Order: sequence, then C-alpha cells, then structure tokens
Amino acid sequence: TQLLEQSPQFLSIQEGENLTVYCNSSSVFSSLQWYRQEPGEGPVLLVTVVTGGEVKKLKRLTFQFGDARKDSSLHITAAQTGDTGLYLCAGWVSGGYNKLIFGAGTRLAVHP
Amino acid sequence: KAGVTQTPRYLIKTRGQQVTLSCSPISGHRSVSWYQQTPGQGLQFLFEYFSETQRNKGNFPGRFSGRQFSNSRSEMNVSTLELGDSALYLCASSPMTAEADTQYFGPGTRLTVL
Repeated sequence: TQLLEQSPQFLSIQEGENLTVYCNSSSVFSSLQWYRQEPGEGPVLLVTVVTGGEVKKLKRLTFQFGDARKDSSLHITAAQTGDTGLYLCAGWVSGGYNKLIFGAGTRLAVHP
Repeated sequence: KAGVTQTPRYLIKTRGQQVTLSCSPISGHRSVSWYQQTPGQGLQFLFEYFSETQRNKGNFPGRFSGRQFSNSRSEMNVSTLELGDSALYLCASSPMTAEADTQYFGPGTRLTVL
C-alpha cells in the first residue's frame, strides 16, 4: 500500500515568518500534487511536480520533488494570513486506472 | 464554466438510514471521483466513474456505492448508515483520470449520522 506522510500536522506562525511542510513516502511516485483546502470548500490544486529534483515556484510558494521521487516539500516565504488553510499532498497510484491518494495534511494558521 | 456542484451541502441522518449524495461535474468532464474526508483518516478515495463505468475503487465496504449517468452527473449512496460514516464527502471531476491530471473538487456534502 502506498502511503503519504505529512509533517508537521499543525503549524501556527506569525505573519512574515517562513515555513516548510513535508510529504514523505517509502514508495516512488511518478508525480505528486499539492492542494490547499479552506474551510467549507474542496481542495484546490496548487502545483504538480513530475520530474525528480524539480523545483517549482508559485509567488511566495516553492515546491520541490525529491530526486528519488519519494518525497516533496512546500516552502512558504513571508507567510500571510491568506495562506491559512489545510495543505494536502497527493500522489497518483498506478494499476489499471489511476487513482489519487492523499496525505493527512498540514493545518497552517498564520496570525497577524 | 461553472464549477463542480454537490447537493445537498449538509445532511443529518440517523443510524440505519440510507443516504444519496449528488455531484454535477464541470461541463465536458467525464471522470468523477468521490472521496471521504474525516479528521482522523484524512481524504480517502472511494471510487471513480468514467463514462458510466466504475473504473477504480477504494477500500470501503459494499454499503458505499455509486453510479454515473449519461450526462456525467454522479450519485453516491450509503446504506445502513453508521456513526463512523459522519464525514465530508467530496466529489471531483476531471476531463479524464490520466497521470497528473487536475482534479476539480466540489465544496462537499457534510453528512452527520446521529
């Protein structure tokens, strides 16, 4: 069974601080995705990383895919209150038709 | 384009009852997936439908079932509800479930079982 473990589970920081959340697995994934979910809404895709070692930037968010394609990280620079939410990593599992499995998520609270 | 819509948004049922949830995908999307989200287990894959056929299934008991209609709208049904079925049920649509495809999620149906 392919599992994705996220850490930390919870993160509470002040506006302006930097943070990193991690997504790890013992399995190799051909791609990983990061989603953000806000209260009362469904998850929204932030990025897809496909190539081992790939780094993608989305404004203040930097996503990295590990060289071995077993892990990924999300780094936020100068966090803002609008970054508050649940960050989920997800990986596609092959086998017949593909399905998406999710990590448990990191709940981020950014305080003014 | 309108996003994924789910109805109802909130539902309260009692143990033993059954429930049907509905999902309307983004126009043109043929794949619909369902997920259960709970604080303890996170987001777990239930099943995926494409062109009215179930293509993939998660590890849930047979009380959880679904179907997809010719217009790609989908329903999921839970029979003989248990307290542990209380959760946020999310549906997601995509053009087709290919590797690294984007899933567009609806706002979910929050089911409470008393």
